[in-house]
Amino acid sequence: DVKVTQSSRYLVKRTGEKVFLECVQDMDHENMFWYRQDPGLGLRLIYFSYDVKMKEKGDIPEGYSVSREKKERFSLILESASTNQTSMYLCASSLLDTIYFGEGSWLTVV
Amino acid sequence: KNQVEQSPQSLIILEGKNCTLQCNYTVSPFSNLRWYKQDTGRGPVSLTIMTFSENTKSNGRYTATLDADTKQSSLHITASQLSDSASYICVVSAMTGNNRKLIWGLGTSLAVNP
Repeated sequence: DVKVTQSSRYLVKRTGEKVFLECVQDMDHENMFWYRQDPGLGLRLIYFSYDVKMKEKGDIPEGYSVSREKKERFSLILESASTNQTSMYLCASSLLDTIYFGEGSWLTVV
Repeated sequence: KNQVEQSPQSLIILEGKNCTLQCNYTVSPFSNLRWYKQDTGRGPVSLTIMTFSENTKSNGRYTATLDADTKQSSLHITASQLSDSASYICVVSAMTGNNRKLIWGLGTSLAVNP
């Protein structure tokens, strides 16, 4: 089975802190994604990557950056966390049309 | 504007009953439609994918239908179980050249009560 692992399930960070969310997939997928999910807004794409060192902005990239130094790892970075970035963050990887999600990381910024 | 709308927003049914969830979309050019199940606090898991030429596809007690003419899809759950309590999300894929864009619905929250 495909496994997408997000390193942290629950985080609490202070406003202004730099936050790293790590994601690893074990199926050699080329495409990887970061979404955030908020009540009433659904899943929104932050960034995606279709190859090592390649990245593309999604629908809501402001306040975020990403890093993909290795094929299996895709990191989401909040340079200076703000309270409006409190959310559930979902990492995913895809092969063709099938997207596989991680379990999610619940981030609270206080 | 590409859009995916799901109804109802939430639904409560008794264990053993059937239910149908709806997904209407205005997405062009249409590539495929997928239904995901998301348990509370977990990531979404794919239930089924449907392409333009497919009308019906089943996955156990889950049956998805697609009417490409009216741009509607439904997910029918038969003989519901407590474990079916989850959010069900419809996502439509639009393909333009080599670019694929996913348009996500907001989901239907299903509660199955004993």
